Amino acid sequence: KQEVTQIPAALSVPEGENLVLNCSFTDSAIYNLQWFRQDPGKGLTSLLLIQSSQREQTSGRLNASLDKSSGRSTLYIAASQPGDSATYLCAVRQRWGNEKLTFGTGTRLTIIP
Amino acid sequence: KAGVTQTPRYLIKTRGQQVTLSCSPISGHRSVSWYQQTPGQGLQFLFEYFSETQRNKGNFPGRFSGRQFSNSRSEMNVSTLELGDSALYLCASSLTGGGEKLFFGSGTQLSVL
Repeated sequence: KQEVTQIPAALSVPEGENLVLNCSFTDSAIYNLQWFRQDPGKGLTSLLLIQSSQREQTSGRLNASLDKSSGRSTLYIAASQPGDSATYLCAVRQRWGNEKLTFGTGTRLTIIP
Repeated sequence: KAGVTQTPRYLIKTRGQQVTLSCSPISGHRSVSWYQQTPGQGLQFLFEYFSETQRNKGNFPGRFSGRQFSNSRSEMNVSTLELGDSALYLCASSLTGGGEKLFFGSGTQLSVL
């Protein structure tokens, strides 16, 4: 059974700093991994999707990496801003055609102005 | 382009009642999946529909059911509500359910009293 863990559960950093969020998964036979952000009481916003054959994906100030063999992914946020404050979740998809995502527990990020 | 729309936004029910939640996917998306989010269990997969057929199912009791219409809109039904069913119910859509990005709605917050 796939298990996804995100550490730390909460993180506070001053505005302008670069930061890294971690995601680990127990079964390395994944199809892809997706990072989301969730604002309080809201749905999830997709940030980045990395296929199992890829090493990283970039979008603006965000960069996600994937090391499938070690069961790890990181989300790097450059030059953090108060608007980046949210909960960040990673989710793995085991195979094509199966929309069951296994989600991590999330990291609640607070950017201090 | 409109996003995923979920109605209603909030619901309050009492134990034993039943409830129906609605989800309209992004235009052109044919896969709709449902997730339950609670503080204790996080995000858990309920089921996925594609072309009006349930394609994948999570580990929830039979009280939880769903369907998809020919226009890809989906409904989720929970019968004989229990206190533990209180949660944020999220719907997500994707083009084909073949591993593309998932796009989530804002959710329906269900409170069972």
